[in-house]
Amino acid sequence: EAQVTQNPRYLITVTGKKLTVTCSQNMNHEYMSWYRQDPGLGLRQIYYSMNVEVTDKGDVPEGYKVSRKEKRNFPLILESPSPNQTSLYFCASRRHRVTYEQYFGPGTRLTVT
Amino acid sequence: AQTVTQSQPEMSVQEAETVTLSCTYDTSESDYYLFWYKQPPSRQMILVIRQEAYKQQNATENRFSVNFQKAAKSFSLKISDSQLGDAAMYFCAYRSVSKGGSEKLVFGKGTKLTVNP
Repeated sequence: EAQVTQNPRYLITVTGKKLTVTCSQNMNHEYMSWYRQDPGLGLRQIYYSMNVEVTDKGDVPEGYKVSRKEKRNFPLILESPSPNQTSLYFCASRRHRVTYEQYFGPGTRLTVT
Repeated sequence: AQTVTQSQPEMSVQEAETVTLSCTYDTSESDYYLFWYKQPPSRQMILVIRQEAYKQQNATENRFSVNFQKAAKSFSLKISDSQLGDAAMYFCAYRSVSKGGSEKLVFGKGTKLTVNP
């Protein structure tokens, strides 16, 4: 089944404790992206990647890091999480220059206390 | 910068009736893509429908159709024969590509649709 997976789905952590949210897709998509969703703000892009080893900042990159060492994986790293990073996070992917719609993972609910 | 506005934070409809969700956007581009995504209580983001700006014909997917008015920069979603399973948050999104090649979806803030039995 074609899909985007994320792990963990739920995470409660404390301020300053490094964490990684994994994202994997099995559709051989070149483009992958991370968004965060906050009440009343819709979804905002954090980082994106056009292909392996090619990443760039989105609209709200502060406090986040990403890497793209393999085509299928695009982990989101929070080196020192803070309470303002409490949010719902989505990973998405799409085939480059085909249909442009993005396929979303199930989301990761992160709470930083 | 492109912006997407959904002016209706909440809407309700009776089961089997028709409802229209509004979306306007701001862009200086002539060729672009627009989307409607559905987010049910499970929080999964599900693509409902896609519209290419260069196509004059409005997109249709079963009970879902759009009214795309390019000059007015309007992209409304019509849901016909509403079903209880249509209850969700609906997001309008615009595919933005910068001169430098960065790409993202710009989302509206969403419209919460309630379907009454």
